[in-house]
Amino acid sequence: KQEVTQIPAALSVPEGENLVLNCSFTDSAIYNLQWFRQDPGKGLTSLLLIQSSQREQTSGRLNASLDKSSGRSTLYIAASQPGDSATYLCAVRKGSNYKLTFGKGTLLTVNP
Amino acid sequence: NAGVTQTPKFQVLKTGQSMTLQCAQDMNHNSMYWYRQDPGMGLRLIYYSASEGTTDKGEVPNGYNVSRLNKREFSLRLESAAPSQTSVYFCASRLPGNSYEQYFGPGTRLTVT
Repeated sequence: KQEVTQIPAALSVPEGENLVLNCSFTDSAIYNLQWFRQDPGKGLTSLLLIQSSQREQTSGRLNASLDKSSGRSTLYIAASQPGDSATYLCAVRKGSNYKLTFGKGTLLTVNP
Repeated sequence: NAGVTQTPKFQVLKTGQSMTLQCAQDMNHNSMYWYRQDPGMGLRLIYYSASEGTTDKGEVPNGYNVSRLNKREFSLRLESAAPSQTSVYFCASRLPGNSYEQYFGPGTRLTVT
């Protein structure tokens, strides 16, 4: 059974700092991995999706990497801002089935 | 585009009552999903619909039924609500093609007393 772990569970940083969020998964036979952001009381917003054949994806100040063989992904946020404060979730898809397996998220607080 | 919309936003039910959560998407996506999110458990898939007219069980289907009314709408029904169904419910739909990228609605916060 696929398990997805996100470390740390919570992170507090000063504004302007570069930071890394980690995601690990137990079954490396994944189809793709997706990073989401969730603001309090809101739905999930898709940030980046990495196919299993890709090593990284970038969008603005966000960069996500994937090392499928070791079962790891990282989300790098450059020059963090208070508006980046949210919970960040990663989810993996195994094969062509429709099921996403989610981690429990990292709660990020960026202090002004 | 409104994206994925859900109604209601909040609901309180008594044990044994029934209700239907509504979800609609205007992105012409084929696949739609219902998840529940509980503290310490993450998001778990309840049911999904790969296309209009088809539905399949996910990880935690017990106590729920779904209807894929048409391509736009996918509803989730609780026939006899239980306190264990207190949760935040999210509907999602998937971009066509091989990316399988999912887009989520704002959620329905349900409390069963």
